Amino acid sequence: AQSVTQLDSQVPVFEEAPVELRCNYSSSVSVYLFWYVQYPNQGLQLLLKYLSGSTLVKGINGFEAEFNKSQTSFHLRKPSVHISDTAEYFCAVSRPGGGADGLTFGKGTHLIIQP
Amino acid sequence: DTEVTQTPKHLVMGMTNKKSLKCEQHMGHRAMYWYKQKAKKPPELMFVYSYEKLSINESVPSRFSPECPNSSLLNLHLHALQPEDSALYLCASSQVRKGGAGANVLTFGAGSRLTVL
Repeated sequence: AQSVTQLDSQVPVFEEAPVELRCNYSSSVSVYLFWYVQYPNQGLQLLLKYLSGSTLVKGINGFEAEFNKSQTSFHLRKPSVHISDTAEYFCAVSRPGGGADGLTFGKGTHLIIQP
Repeated sequence: DTEVTQTPKHLVMGMTNKKSLKCEQHMGHRAMYWYKQKAKKPPELMFVYSYEKLSINESVPSRFSPECPNSSLLNLHLHALQPEDSALYLCASSQVRKGGAGANVLTFGAGSRLTVL
């Protein structure tokens, strides 16, 4: 079975500063990794995904993440945040293979942008 | 159309009521999911339908009854719920890659916020 740990439940950052949201995974097999964002009172929106290939993945809204197999990490970064980035961010993992078995989510990181 | 549409957005029901949540997608996805999300918690998987057949039931109480009438629709029938069932219910869909490697990238709806009195 696979699992995800988001190391910070809350991250306060000043506007226009860089941010990194940390995610570590645990799995005995190779996995696919995702970051989703949830704005208040909304559903989840896919920010980016790592399936294979280049370990640096670029997503929407200026976010990127780097897959590090040796450190079993998939940290999310943005060089300059905006007030509109205030949201809950979830790291998630799924196992490769056919069929549909959903995603396993981390507990989430609340990103708070301070003016 | 790249959306998953959920109705209603808000639902208030008593413990003796029967109601349903509905989910629709027109992306040609053949897997559909129900997740439950409590406040300040991650989504928890409830049910998965693959090619209109129930493939995963995460030990959900029988007061929740899923239904997948066709490849575009997913319902969640609610009966005799408890106040602790109050939550945001999220529907998602994904492609299914039969017989080999592939990622199920989930597209989520905006959710139905349920309050049980």
